[in-house]
Amino acid sequence: EDKVVQSPLSLVVHEGDTVTLNCSYEVTNFRSLLWYKQEKKAPTFLFMLTSSGIEKKSGRLSSILDKKELFSILNITATQTGDSAIYLCAVGAGNNRKLIWGLGTSLAVNP
Amino acid sequence: ETGVTQTPRHLVMGMTNKKSLKCEQHLGHNAMYWYKQSAKKPLELMFVYNFKEQTENNSVPSRFSPECPNSSHLFLHLHTLQPEDSALYLCASSLQGLDQPQHFGDGTRLSIL
Repeated sequence: EDKVVQSPLSLVVHEGDTVTLNCSYEVTNFRSLLWYKQEKKAPTFLFMLTSSGIEKKSGRLSSILDKKELFSILNITATQTGDSAIYLCAVGAGNNRKLIWGLGTSLAVNP
Repeated sequence: ETGVTQTPRHLVMGMTNKKSLKCEQHLGHNAMYWYKQSAKKPLELMFVYNFKEQTENNSVPSRFSPECPNSSHLFLHLHTLQPEDSALYLCASSLQGLDQPQHFGDGTRLSIL
């Protein structure tokens, strides 16, 4: 059965800390891995990864995919209170292009 | 403004009521989706529409009935719901296909009395 596991489930840090969020997957016919940030409302798209070893970067956020070990990490450096959110990972897989979602990591950044 | 607008934002209804959720996207996307988000569960995909045609129905009970009159509008008609249907219902769209970046609406928080 296809599955996506995110860790940790929750995390509390102080402003300025660096955090690393993990997304592991076991799927048939991997196509893509996507990261989203969900604050109180709509999830917003962060990154889409399809190739191993190529880092995607946007400001203080970066992400990389390891297709051999079947995981991706999302790094946030110099965290700010505005980074507090749930970070969702989803993996596109299968010939029918389905999307499997993880439970998310709830990040709280304290001032 | 996310480009995907959902109404209403909140809805409280009894189990015998009939109501509809509305979603509209202004992004020129060809695919639209309904998701259910419940506490401590992954996002559950309910329905998929590509170019106005329903391409996926993930074993959703018939008390949920989708409608896609054109590629910009999506409805979810609700009737005879159960308390366990209380959740956040999210609409999303993408250019093509589930495994492409999706744009989400802010959701409708549904409470069944």
